[in-house]
Amino acid sequence: GAVVSQHPSWVICKSGTSVKIECRSLDFQATTMFWYRQFPKQSLMLMATSNEGSKATYEQGVEKDKFLINHASLTLSTLTVTSAHPEDSSFYICSAPKTDPSGETQYFGPGTRLLVL
Amino acid sequence: AQTVTQSQPEMSVQEAETVTLSCTYDTSESNYYLFWYKQPPSRQMILVIRQEAYKQQNATENRFSVNFQKAAKSFSLKISDSQLGDTAMYFCAFEGTTSGTYKYIFGTGTRLKVLA
Repeated sequence: GAVVSQHPSWVICKSGTSVKIECRSLDFQATTMFWYRQFPKQSLMLMATSNEGSKATYEQGVEKDKFLINHASLTLSTLTVTSAHPEDSSFYICSAPKTDPSGETQYFGPGTRLLVL
Repeated sequence: AQTVTQSQPEMSVQEAETVTLSCTYDTSESNYYLFWYKQPPSRQMILVIRQEAYKQQNATENRFSVNFQKAAKSFSLKISDSQLGDTAMYFCAFEGTTSGTYKYIFGTGTRLKVLA
């Protein structure tokens, strides 16, 4: 298998502040990583595709100035929620693809729970 | 646009019994991948099984198997000998390419409860 970590696992912040979430592929390199948002008892919604060395690709309806993504290395992507508001409170999950002999598989991080007060 | 539909929001099954979770999808692509992921209360997404669309043989992984009907765009998951640890949310996912970029699309999920 492969391991993807996220840090922090949970964060509480005041409205108006910015929060950075890290996603790391621990034992493999990933030129692409994905960021998802999951509301309680709902599915994962793809927010953006993080591309190493280039700009992220955002899904329709996701504010790129609100959710800043940086993929600075082959093992690290960061999501910064800028000027966070209570409606940004959610569970954020990242994933990274790894190719093995049986094909490509997305490996998911354990998620980050964000609560904005 | 690709879509993934899971029509069963909740299901329950007795321990040791068999249960089938349904998933349908829509795409105009000919080559793609389909997945079932499990999300237990910890919320960690765990890959259950994967199917390549160009393979006619249904994928199996121990107690988990799929019934892949490409023409009908159906991809159901069968769990045999259900165990208490199978209790989780199950998501069907489609991986295809849009404008040269591949990405996952998830269904809305089925909450499975295994009863002792």
